[in-house]
Amino acid sequence: QAGLTQPPSVSRDLGQTATLTCTGNSNNVGYQGAAWLQQHQGRPPRLLSYRNNDRPSGISERFSASRSENTASLTITGLQAEDEADYYCSAWDGSLGGWLFGGGTKLTVL
Amino acid sequence: QVQVVESGGGVVQAGRSLRLSCEASGFTFSGHVMHWVRQAPGKGLEWLAGISRDGTITYHGESEKGRFIISRDNSKNTLFLQMNTLRTEDTAVYYCVRQSTVEGAFDVWGPGAMVSVSS
Repeated sequence: QAGLTQPPSVSRDLGQTATLTCTGNSNNVGYQGAAWLQQHQGRPPRLLSYRNNDRPSGISERFSASRSENTASLTITGLQAEDEADYYCSAWDGSLGGWLFGGGTKLTVL
Repeated sequence: QVQVVESGGGVVQAGRSLRLSCEASGFTFSGHVMHWVRQAPGKGLEWLAGISRDGTITYHGESEKGRFIISRDNSKNTLFLQMNTLRTEDTAVYYCVRQSTVEGAFDVWGPGAMVSVSS
């Protein structure tokens, strides 16, 4: 089945570590990896990580991405209140010939 | 600075057409693949269409293929999205997005244009 699967919500305490996941298949995440985006309420998304897990300039080292087979992960360490946002993964699907987004994970920092 | 800004959004009746524009500045527009992505109220992101650097190749998401047409004018640093036969479910914020030249990712996003389709 096409599509990228993300858990709808994750909650962690301030200062803790959160790991968000994005599961696809060999045609998308497993093919060329996934990028990660952060979106605060009422704002456009912001790129956090490229498909090769590198961070764009200006993105904190607290954000790190990785991939294992068909699952991509975004780990956020030392959670801060400002990290509370929606997080999306995106990937190219070579079978569909188009781009996919995950459904998004709402991260709550307690 | 590097930016893209959408225009042309608004309220439109179902069945009508609307064309969105996106003006790019601060970078070599013709050097980047460009896309349109939308987000319905309270929902996630949905990729709609992409276009090659020279505009000769376009690719569209399955859901809106045939109704939405992406195009670009590199001489004017502008991206377009022609939306036809609009439906109420097309109500969303429409984002113009730049694809990075390396490791294809959506690295520059516009503020978005709101399109509301009334019945």
